[in-house]
Amino acid sequence: GAVVSQHPSWVICKSGTSVKIECRSLDFQATTMFWYRQFPKQSLMLMATSNEGSKATYEQGVEKDKFLINHASLTLSTLTVTSAHPEDSSFYICSARDQTSGGRKDEQYFGPGTRLTVT
Amino acid sequence: SQQGEEDPQALSIQEGENATMNCSYKTSINNLQWYRQNSGRGLVHLILIRSNEREKHSGRLRVTLDTSKKSSSLLITASRAADTASYFCATIGGGFKTIFGAGTRLFVKA
Repeated sequence: GAVVSQHPSWVICKSGTSVKIECRSLDFQATTMFWYRQFPKQSLMLMATSNEGSKATYEQGVEKDKFLINHASLTLSTLTVTSAHPEDSSFYICSARDQTSGGRKDEQYFGPGTRLTVT
Repeated sequence: SQQGEEDPQALSIQEGENATMNCSYKTSINNLQWYRQNSGRGLVHLILIRSNEREKHSGRLRVTLDTSKKSSSLLITASRAADTASYFCATIGGGFKTIFGAGTRLFVKA
């Protein structure tokens, strides 16, 4: 089946630094990827839609200058948390739609998540 | 709010009992999906039910969908301690964005 990977699995960084999280579709092409954030004991909240070759679309309340998204290829999207602060500590999960011919276009594949801790 | 509602928020049952979780959503959908998440881990896709389906089974899982009420239920029969996890319903709306419900935390006691 389709696989989505994330790197790193977890990261601890100091307040004020920037952290980049990668999301890769390993065996399919994805023109659209999604980024979610999940705080402890809460559900996943959609942050933004990442579109290959164009600007990301952010959900209401998500700062685009804080969470930079780059979708430079059909298999890679990156989320950069700029000037991270402790309140940005969360579990970040990406997903990708398999848009290759014959793929199940109504199903998304989720990455394993990246746990960010900002000290 | 992005999220639909799920109830109960948390559920504790004995091994062997059935567990039922309910989900309501806000907008028209093409399909509804259920996911499972163990604590601090990624999501596991359980089952997808399309808007023209009313019921679907997969092993010990039974999902129903009532589009007139914008609601769905997930039934886990003969629960096991390993079923302990959080369960989320999710709908795909415009732009193929997946919106998750608030989730139900299930505890199955051995």
